[in-house]
Amino acid sequence: QVQLQESGPGLVKPSGTLSLTCAVSGGSISSSNWWSWVRQPPGKGLEWIGEIYHSGSTNYNPSLKSRVTISVDKSKNQFSLKLSSVTAADTAVYYCARESVDIPTGYYYMDVWGKGTTVTVSS
Amino acid sequence: EIVLTQSPGTLSLSPGERATLSCRASQSVSSSYLAWYQQKPGQAPRLLIYGASSRATGIPDRFSGSGSGTDFTLTISRLEPEDFAVYYCQQYGSSPPLFTFGPGTKVDIK
Repeated sequence: QVQLQESGPGLVKPSGTLSLTCAVSGGSISSSNWWSWVRQPPGKGLEWIGEIYHSGSTNYNPSLKSRVTISVDKSKNQFSLKLSSVTAADTAVYYCARESVDIPTGYYYMDVWGKGTTVTVSS
Repeated sequence: EIVLTQSPGTLSLSPGERATLSCRASQSVSSSYLAWYQQKPGQAPRLLIYGASSRATGIPDRFSGSGSGTDFTLTISRLEPEDFAVYYCQQYGSSPPLFTFGPGTKVDIK
């Protein structure tokens, strides 16, 4: 059973770079899945940040694209998020998630989520 | 960008009652790409429904999804105490942002 675990600093200074890693266990990051980052500001809803495939192909949310980099490390079975020039508005719980497709039907969804990690942007 | 709107914002019901949650899209969404998630305080979202009407593994049959085009519904036939949570709809599109979520509906105890 695939499990995801986010890790990284819980506090980042304004204008700094937020860096998080999502470790994949119980399965391979090189499987036929895309891997996503999603965030949730305190008391608010969910926002998709971007995704990566094990080949290194990425797609980003246009609202964050200029500041986001998602990368994959197949040797460590993990993928990472970097968000630059952070402000208080980037304070959120950050989740990593696995995207899956039901082959016969083409249904697409996020079926495995990490527990999330809280990142606070503050000096 | 497709915008998802959920209503009501909050639904106050008693255990045993039926809950009907709505998700409306700003333009037509393929049913294949419409999912529902449940989120409890301090927890990650959990996949409930995918393909608009298919239950995810381990999801009780009191949860059902329906709809097509721009209007989708999540129904909880009889609320159990553990069902009081926030529910999000999500769509997957062909152009970025690839995934968008609705603002959520909170189901709380009356």
